[in-house]
Amino acid sequence: SQTIHQWPATLVQPVGSPLSLECTVEGTSNPNLYWYRQAAGRGLQLLFYSVGIGQISSEVPQNLSASRPQDRQFILSSKKLLLSDSGFYLCALAVAYNEQFFGPGTRLTVL
Amino acid sequence: AQTVTQSQPEMSVQEAETVTLSCTYDTSESDYYLFWYKQPPSRQMILVIRQEAYKQQNATENRFSVNFQKAAKSFSLKISDSQLGDAAMYFCAYRFGGSNYKLTFGKGTLLTVNP
Repeated sequence: SQTIHQWPATLVQPVGSPLSLECTVEGTSNPNLYWYRQAAGRGLQLLFYSVGIGQISSEVPQNLSASRPQDRQFILSSKKLLLSDSGFYLCALAVAYNEQFFGPGTRLTVL
Repeated sequence: AQTVTQSQPEMSVQEAETVTLSCTYDTSESDYYLFWYKQPPSRQMILVIRQEAYKQQNATENRFSVNFQKAAKSFSLKISDSQLGDAAMYFCAYRFGGSNYKLTFGKGTLLTVNP
């Protein structure tokens, strides 16, 4: 069965600082991977998805970027964080029966 | 663009009772999939139930069942014999058949279960 690791679990960063959130998966190969953000009191918004190494699709214009350096690694980055980047970030992978399996998430607070 | 609407920001139910959460969606596609996810206080997203649009039969998973009305673009979740552990945020989600598995989520319904 698949496992998703997200690191770190919690992060507090000042405005203007860089960001790197990591997602690694186990138990599958060549997965479709996704980054979602959940702002307070709102649903999940798809930020990026990747169908393979080096392949990134952006869903919304924003202050963030994503990379997929390895088959089972998906990284979310920013050069300069904004207050509006605060939220709960979830990594997910596509599994059988068309649904997505989610990782435990990273809570990001930008001060 | 596809949209998913959950019109009930909050719902409450007595333990052992039944509750129905509403979801409507907007799409021009005929091949799609619908899901209900549960997010407990731990914030881990857990799949509750799925429905393929081409199936007329409503999906059922133990105490959870859906009422899928394709023409009305409605996809409600019924929780029977509610338990304290059912308390969570519930999200309805839509996936277009040819969309690289991308999901569009509603804003969620917070379910409280009263003992």
